[in-house]
Amino acid sequence: KAGVTQTPRYLIKTRGQQVTLSCSPISGHRSVSWYQQTPGQGLQFLFEYFSETQRNKGNFPGRFSGRQFSNSRSEMNVSTLELGDSALYLCASRPGRANTEAFFGQGTRLTVV
Amino acid sequence: QQQVKQSPQSLIVQKGGFSIINCAYENTAFDYFPWYQQFPGKGPALLIAIRPDVSEKKEGRFTISFNKSAKQFSLHIMDSQPGDSATYFCAASTSSGGSNYKLTFGKGTLLTVNP
Repeated sequence: KAGVTQTPRYLIKTRGQQVTLSCSPISGHRSVSWYQQTPGQGLQFLFEYFSETQRNKGNFPGRFSGRQFSNSRSEMNVSTLELGDSALYLCASRPGRANTEAFFGQGTRLTVV
Repeated sequence: QQQVKQSPQSLIVQKGGFSIINCAYENTAFDYFPWYQQFPGKGPALLIAIRPDVSEKKEGRFTISFNKSAKQFSLHIMDSQPGDSATYFCAASTSSGGSNYKLTFGKGTLLTVNP
């Protein structure tokens, strides 16, 4: 069974640009969460999607948004990029809302210059 | 507010040694406590998890001990191997799976096992 797939693996963007990251969950998993990992703040929850609806949101500005498609694939968008948005963005999938085990992808390394 | 505090930040042990990583939480609504292992360039991988109805759970060389009254839980690694060198994260969440589900992570412990 394939794991969580995130694309692209690496991105370099310029301040002020926007970026879209993609996540394909494990087959059959319907819940997708996004996390930001930085050396200073560690792993922080961004948001979770289930059945194409955002169910929970972390403490991030509105520049961070996401969506989920009917096949459970998810995208995350960051607009008006700032230098501080440089981070590893991780996607995690769960089978369903009643399941607690979350499985992470390898992440997308975003560098804002 | 950091809801899960993890210590130490780094740990160096010799091959065959015993490693302990500690975490403390504040939110009494947490009832699911996983540990993740992360190698450089990789995403976190679920290692072992525990719920508060048990005080200890063992899987191979890895054991979680849980103290509900103290709101603390620990990861014990026996017979540490160089391949265990990684960053370990404790986390906590509610198990309801409802709209409040999210993993709250500790800051991580960088474990180095010397050969």
